[in-house]
Amino acid sequence: AQKITQTQPGMFVQEKEAVTLDCTYDTSDQSYGLFWYKQPSSGEMIFLIYQGSYDEQNATEGRYSLNFQKARKSANLVISASQLGDSAMYFCAMRESYGGATNKLIFGTGTLLAVQP
Amino acid sequence: NAGVTQTPKFRVLKTGQSMTLLCAQDMNHEYMYWYRQDPGMGLRLIHYSVGEGTTAKGEVPDGYNVSRLKKQNFLLGLESAAPSQTSVYFCASSYWALRDIDPRNAEAFFGQGTRLTVV
Repeated sequence: AQKITQTQPGMFVQEKEAVTLDCTYDTSDQSYGLFWYKQPSSGEMIFLIYQGSYDEQNATEGRYSLNFQKARKSANLVISASQLGDSAMYFCAMRESYGGATNKLIFGTGTLLAVQP
Repeated sequence: NAGVTQTPKFRVLKTGQSMTLLCAQDMNHEYMYWYRQDPGMGLRLIHYSVGEGTTAKGEVPDGYNVSRLKKQNFLLGLESAAPSQTSVYFCASSYWALRDIDPRNAEAFFGQGTRLTVV
């Protein structure tokens, strides 16, 4: 069954430091997509980064990178040079059967990141 | 450039009342989703749709019904509201992301959420 696990309910990081948010997933499909979203205290969902299961290189978007380890079924988000504005809830998500009829998009329980000055 | 619009943004219901939440998207997306967000539980999928006229159950479908009569709209109904349905509800939409298209199109776009309280 499709499942996303985020084991860190909360994290602290010092401003300008790097931080890794963990995400593991479970799927029996060969084709799937992995996503990270940010939810600030204002509540909106902001897309950060995407990794396809067939992509050989780790995805990067500015200060965000996705450490994709397919054999371990992990898709950790790395935020470099943390900023105060990075304080938010972060969700890992997966879409299975990439392009198929069972194209559900499911989320983990989230990690609340607090960046300290 | 509206994107995904949810109405209403806030609502208070009495137990047993019914209501419909409307989600509208103007991006011609095939897929649409309804989630509920509760503290400590992340976003849980209620129902989703892979195209006009089709719907499917997600992780927590009980107590909810949906309809997708038009491609741009996805309605979530509560026939008899219960306090356990107090939550923040999010709608999202996305393209039918095939492997060979631009992966940036795989992103799901979210509405701003509806805060529902059932008393």
